[in-house]
Amino acid sequence: GAGVSQTPSNKVTEKGKYVELRCDPISGHTALYWYRQSLGQGPEFLIYFQGTGAADDSGLPNDRFFAVRPEGSVSTLKIQRTERGDSAVYLCASSLRDRGSYNEQFFGPGTRLTVL
Amino acid sequence: AQTVTQSQPEMSVQEAETVTLSCTYDTSESDYYLFWYKQPPSRQMILVIRQEAYKQQNATENRFSVNFQKAAKSFSLKISDSQLGDAAMYFCAYRRGKETSGSRLTFGEGTQLTVNP
Repeated sequence: GAGVSQTPSNKVTEKGKYVELRCDPISGHTALYWYRQSLGQGPEFLIYFQGTGAADDSGLPNDRFFAVRPEGSVSTLKIQRTERGDSAVYLCASSLRDRGSYNEQFFGPGTRLTVL
Repeated sequence: AQTVTQSQPEMSVQEAETVTLSCTYDTSESDYYLFWYKQPPSRQMILVIRQEAYKQQNATENRFSVNFQKAAKSFSLKISDSQLGDAAMYFCAYRRGKETSGSRLTFGEGTQLTVNP
């Protein structure tokens, strides 16, 4: 049973460029979360999906950030016009479902994004 | 809004000794979960232990146990018989209760634990 996978592991880009970060959740997990972890800090919530829909995107910092999950499985986090302040580790997590009884969030290894 | 505070940026312990990591939180809710996660250099966030707020009994997982003081909003992690493999960044985290949607995790700033041989 594979865990949550994220690609790429590391991404270096230049200021102003567009990047896409991919998350492959555990099979059957309907809830998917994105977090951002800046250097020396704890992860901060960005967005979560229940199925295909973004149920809560209140953590997205601005409109340069967007995420999709078109088929309710793989999710892509998209960042337009990247800025140096976007440099961080982007973590993805999935769980069986969002509400109801407790469901553990399983994390991927993250994508380290560096904006030069 | 909920907040989680870890006031110890770094801690160290001798192998086989016991260490306690501190965490405080703030919430107006009565139904919630608290967690300790371990993050080694591989970046993989690993769940160490969780505590349901409605349970008075402190959670225990092998060498890991918590001291949950609900009134004081305190949630510390005790690691007994520390091992070299315990060295990592530890994060305290909060999540709203099971009957609410939006079960995002709110993390503290982390405590870097060093285990000395």
